[in-house]
Amino acid sequence: DGGITQSPKYLFRKEGQNVTLSCEQNLNHDAMYWYRQDPGQGLRLIYYSQIVNDFQKGDIAEGYSVSREKKESFPLTVTSAQKNPTAFYLCASSWTSGLTDTQYFGPGTRLTVL
Amino acid sequence: SQQGEEDPQALSIQEGENATMNCSYKTSINNLQWYRQNSGRGLVHLILIRSNEREKHSGRLRVTLDTSKKSSSLLITASRAADTASYFCATQGGGNTPLVFGKGTRLSVIA
Repeated sequence: DGGITQSPKYLFRKEGQNVTLSCEQNLNHDAMYWYRQDPGQGLRLIYYSQIVNDFQKGDIAEGYSVSREKKESFPLTVTSAQKNPTAFYLCASSWTSGLTDTQYFGPGTRLTVL
Repeated sequence: SQQGEEDPQALSIQEGENATMNCSYKTSINNLQWYRQNSGRGLVHLILIRSNEREKHSGRLRVTLDTSKKSSSLLITASRAADTASYFCATQGGGNTPLVFGKGTRLSVIA
């Protein structure tokens, strides 16, 4: 997990609320990613960013938003438009913007909607 | 998307035995990577094999890649209880496309 921090570790949200998950890296990596993982499932890509001030939608971007104002930070907002947000969220980063590198993962945030 | 598919979904072995996990994919790739995830934690990268490579080793890990069959295998030799985790393959297609992860194999090593 070293070099990438996610906070909080656990997050509870009431229906209809937006919440923001934090992801910070001190590895000087260009690219950053957000994934969603449901129980017993693999990772599904929500958004990714190859450089500052630019990001692209992944496979399941609906109901989520991101920003990349600084190289080291890539926060994810889960909006009220996301109908089933309860999941484990993982942030990752990789060296270059070319997307071919290995990814380094944070410890994850478990989001529960009450 | 060209999601990799791991087989088996779950595997239970005794300590000291070898564990083999397989990954199949559908379209051509630039590289294939294996990751490990302990329960409730982030993923840790294990090994990357490029499309022009056939086999790579790292400690007790051996990865093979057969691009003609669109498949890869991960072998863990002399397994330990600490190897208990989920193992994921991830494929990176040609061009500027991000990794696509499979659903993983859950490995249990019994002491």
